[in-house]
Amino acid sequence: DIQMTQSPSSLSASVGDRVTITCRASQSISSNLNWYQQKPGKAPKVLIYAASSLQSGVPSRFSGSGSGTDFTLTISSLQPEDFATYYCQQSYSTPLTFGPGTKVDIK
Amino acid sequence: QVQLQESGPGLVKPSETLSLTCAVSGGSISDYYWTWIRQAPGKGLEWIGYIYYSGSSDNNPALKSRVTISVDTSKNQFSLKLSSVTAADTAVYYCARGGKTVDYWGQGTLVTVSS
Repeated sequence: DIQMTQSPSSLSASVGDRVTITCRASQSISSNLNWYQQKPGKAPKVLIYAASSLQSGVPSRFSGSGSGTDFTLTISSLQPEDFATYYCQQSYSTPLTFGPGTKVDIK
Repeated sequence: QVQLQESGPGLVKPSETLSLTCAVSGGSISDYYWTWIRQAPGKGLEWIGYIYYSGSSDNNPALKSRVTISVDTSKNQFSLKLSSVTAADTAVYYCARGGKTVDYWGQGTLVTVSS
């Protein structure tokens, strides 16, 4: 199975901050990497697919980059509605696996 | 707008079979993969498996042979059965559209395994 790790596990930030979350795969997954946002009590929502493609309807302040084993999700200017937990997920091979999540909360 | 709704018992006894159904509305179940994902309380996301509308499927070996996913195109729904459940199977179960990338999700349903 491909193991996914994320860093940091949590971070505190202020509205307007630039936020970067890192995801690493245990082997190369090319660009087969998705990012999801989950708010408490809600289902996750896809933000980025194929490492860098913005899902329709997602604000352009979200961006993704990377390939191989190292990936990054960037929020260019954090908004109040962005406080949530973010998960990466590899879509390279089954079993599909998720990172442990990064919780972004208010500083 | 595609909508998914999970249904099934919220409480299952240990060693019994968990059965959930996901009703799809606002679109056809055809031409897509359909997925089950779960999340234990306070934990991360775990992929259970997916099925194509034609019936081909794949699931997580970590769940061994306990998982059965099926699809009923006539009812526009798909289902999950998880046998021999234990307390470790207590989780919110989500159904979703898509295979390796999911875009539409149900709201999730909490299933508790307890006697």
